[in-house]
Amino acid sequence: GAVVSQHPSWVICKSGTSVKIECRSLDFQATTMFWYRQFPKQSLMLMATSNEGSKATYEQGVEKDKFLINHASLTLSTLTVTSAHPEDSSFYICSARAHLSTDTQYFGPGTRLTVL
Amino acid sequence: SQQGEEDPQALSIQEGENATMNCSYKTSINNLQWYRQNSGRGLVHLILIRSNEREKHSGRLRVTLDTSKKSSSLLITASRAADTASYFCATSAGSYQLTFGKGTKLSVIP
Repeated sequence: GAVVSQHPSWVICKSGTSVKIECRSLDFQATTMFWYRQFPKQSLMLMATSNEGSKATYEQGVEKDKFLINHASLTLSTLTVTSAHPEDSSFYICSARAHLSTDTQYFGPGTRLTVL
Repeated sequence: SQQGEEDPQALSIQEGENATMNCSYKTSINNLQWYRQNSGRGLVHLILIRSNEREKHSGRLRVTLDTSKKSSSLLITASRAADTASYFCATSAGSYQLTFGKGTKLSVIP
């Protein structure tokens, strides 16, 4: 149980285009989902916290107009990278906190974004 | 900002040996968790230890927590080649958000 999926697993896009990444909790309801960014050989940096039905809370330094987050249901959150630039190339990972569990986050497999 | 600091940054051992990784943090926590990440993949939750616990076991994993020193250790006994991965500690201070350390890259040589 507690499986989180991400789609796509990798994407290559041209500079200036927008890319949408989906994060789904497959077998549980997730009231809270988190989006992280990971640069090569570095740790995960929290970008934003997404609660179902409300606006996401962004970490300091993360542009909310650049990284649009929508958490429309208890099993789906999306991250849209708008007007992507090469510096947005990174590994994006989502996680979900189960409704009845307060401590453990279940992570998706990640999405590798490459902006040309 | 990152709170956890793992050491060593990289560790290379022979199969069958034990691997010990350490994590230090700066502020008070509710719990500390260890995750594993295979190259280019997502994170797998290994074990959670609460602030009122001192030691926890799960299979070949043993985690200790010393809140007075703000440090934790992860011990993997009888390592296997499949244990090769990066290991991260992550702390939670009550908001359900996790703050990750920089990670230890473990290589187990067959």
